[in-house]
Amino acid sequence: QQQVKQSPQSLIVQKGGIPIINCAYENTAFDYFPWYQQFPGKGPALLIAIRPDVSEKKEGRFTISFNKSAKQFSLHIMDSQPGDSATYFCAASGGTYKYIFGTGTRLKVLA
Amino acid sequence: SAVISQKPSRDICQRGTSLTIQCQVDSQVTMMFWYRQQPGQSLTLIATANQGSEATYESGFVIDKFPISRPNLTFSTLTVSNMSPEDSSIYLCSVETLAGGELFFGEGSRLTVL
Repeated sequence: QQQVKQSPQSLIVQKGGIPIINCAYENTAFDYFPWYQQFPGKGPALLIAIRPDVSEKKEGRFTISFNKSAKQFSLHIMDSQPGDSATYFCAASGGTYKYIFGTGTRLKVLA
Repeated sequence: SAVISQKPSRDICQRGTSLTIQCQVDSQVTMMFWYRQQPGQSLTLIATANQGSEATYESGFVIDKFPISRPNLTFSTLTVSNMSPEDSSIYLCSVETLAGGELFFGEGSRLTVL
């Protein structure tokens, strides 16, 4: 199975809240898990990525949590701001497998 | 990272015509890909652009409809042929860097077919 299942489809939080977006995969050959942020009219931008040798990675206000045994990973946005309102895509790749993208989560952060 | 320039950024085309999208990268990259993103949807890989040889197409995409060229390591084109309204979409060029294997995207070409 090469699917990457992403949830929720959409999310609304207040400014300062911590939105959490979840992704799950089945193919154990995947070894690279990036998150992309896309604003309307723009291409997806690489936000943060993790490999399975660590369980957590932080870059600024963005944190990836990775659970290898459960084959799940999630994005947390600390102290969210209205400027974080965008669509977020998780992805997975590895070995001979090309990037597989999740279905996307539309995040809105209210001022 | 890599700076990817795509053009045109948007176009409105008539049914039955063809449009070629260009992608230029500022540095040598290992892989170049073309994706399609339909409105409000995720990213679907069309094909891998191979330097100096025929592109590798994903299931559901064929060369006659989406011919691709990659004459060198930093440039590729995607043509959308004999367009229909169903081809209205955003077409994205992406590259995988030599350094870290990360995938970067251009700003996309928004195509509307009337």
